[in-house]
Amino acid sequence: QKEVEQNSGPLSVPEGAIASLNCTYSDRGSQSFFWYRQYSGKSPELIMFIYSNGDKEDGRFTAQLNKASQYVSLLIRDSQPSDSATYLCAVNKGDNYGQNFVFGPGTRLSVLP
Amino acid sequence: KAGVTQTPRYLIKTRGQQVTLSCSPISGHRSVSWYQQTPGQGLQFLFEYFSETQRNKGNFPGRFSGRQFSNSRSEMNVSTLELGDSALYLCASSFTGEVHYGYTFGSGTRLTVV
Repeated sequence: QKEVEQNSGPLSVPEGAIASLNCTYSDRGSQSFFWYRQYSGKSPELIMFIYSNGDKEDGRFTAQLNKASQYVSLLIRDSQPSDSATYLCAVNKGDNYGQNFVFGPGTRLSVLP
Repeated sequence: KAGVTQTPRYLIKTRGQQVTLSCSPISGHRSVSWYQQTPGQGLQFLFEYFSETQRNKGNFPGRFSGRQFSNSRSEMNVSTLELGDSALYLCASSFTGEVHYGYTFGSGTRLTVV
């Protein structure tokens, strides 16, 4: 079992719809969770992070965390063609000797005009 | 404020050569991490430096090494290059305290080994 798993996609949604991106992780001790967006040929950029169970909203983005189920998701409301990118889920295992992030393989999102 | 600066942006090297990549983190960030990104393996953690000390290391051979200077700038070195080392190498800086607010990545160095 991989440490962080995501559906590779592509996930296609029409413009204006809600895109739902999912991520599961295997290490129950993981402490914090991050979503990154990566456009083709570019480096990843941080969208948001979440530490506590529940929802966290930032503009059109909502991160949801369920530690009992070892599951984190990202919802993108009112999806725009500019949201078309690969979305990477990252888990911080919180190693006492320093942060060690594990990234998932990413989900490719395509928003159709 | 300035972002994470990586140089060079592109490199073409021959098998057996060595290469040094450079990264200047965001001012005030003391942690620098290096990642390798390939289409098949995704983002893989190489190592993390904090206050000039390697704090974490991923599962890469000893040909991959790094260091950090007193001004937090970091270099990564790959010796005896192999074709499989062709990848995008990303530097990520972070301000580490009790809470980790995530990485800021540089634009990356795309290394091609021929």
